[in-house]
Amino acid sequence: GENVEQHPSTLSVQEGDSAVIKCTYSDSASNYFPWYKQELGKGPQLIIDIRSNVGEKKDQRIAVTLNKTAKHFSLHITETQPEDSAVYFCAASMLGGTSYGKLTFGQGTILTVHP
Amino acid sequence: DAGITQSPRHKVTETGTPVTLRCHQTENHRYMYWYRQDPGHGLRLIHYSYGVKDTDKGEVSDGYSVSRSKTEDFLLTLESATSSQTSVYFCATCGAPTGELFFGEGSRLTVL
Repeated sequence: GENVEQHPSTLSVQEGDSAVIKCTYSDSASNYFPWYKQELGKGPQLIIDIRSNVGEKKDQRIAVTLNKTAKHFSLHITETQPEDSAVYFCAASMLGGTSYGKLTFGQGTILTVHP
Repeated sequence: DAGITQSPRHKVTETGTPVTLRCHQTENHRYMYWYRQDPGHGLRLIHYSYGVKDTDKGEVSDGYSVSRSKTEDFLLTLESATSSQTSVYFCATCGAPTGELFFGEGSRLTVL
């Protein structure tokens, strides 16, 4: 089955700095790579995703890059703000058939943004 | 946001007792899932459903069963709870084809 490794497990930055979280996956059949943000006491929420036919995607201060050959993808947050502090999860899956939502998650990264 | 309600939100039980967690959705999403979250493991899929009465196992299904008799409800049952099932359980739904999961707020289960 799919295996997703996520690094680092904790990340501490100053407000305004950039933050980068990296993930690798094992199954070359995976074609969907979402990132979820989880705030304390809440369920994870999708912040951005990318499909295997795209190399990069941006949404304001957030971007995701995908290298299919190397089987890794990364989350980039620019101009970090204290409200970006949360746990971030990467995930991988193969969309299609009964596979929708069968995500394999990374271990999570605790991001702390210091004012 | 998809309307997903989990109950109970917190439960403490003893080893060997049965436990049922309930997930109720109001979005008419076809796909529903149960994940558990443990430190160092992220979220792991327990069971999922791709329609009424259509369910299948996930990565960590041993000791769990599920049922889905209506589109809006998905039940997770621990027939005989063990301490290793102490965890936070999340229900999620998916309104394909985007693949986006919508999560409930979680149910924290402690097995003593």
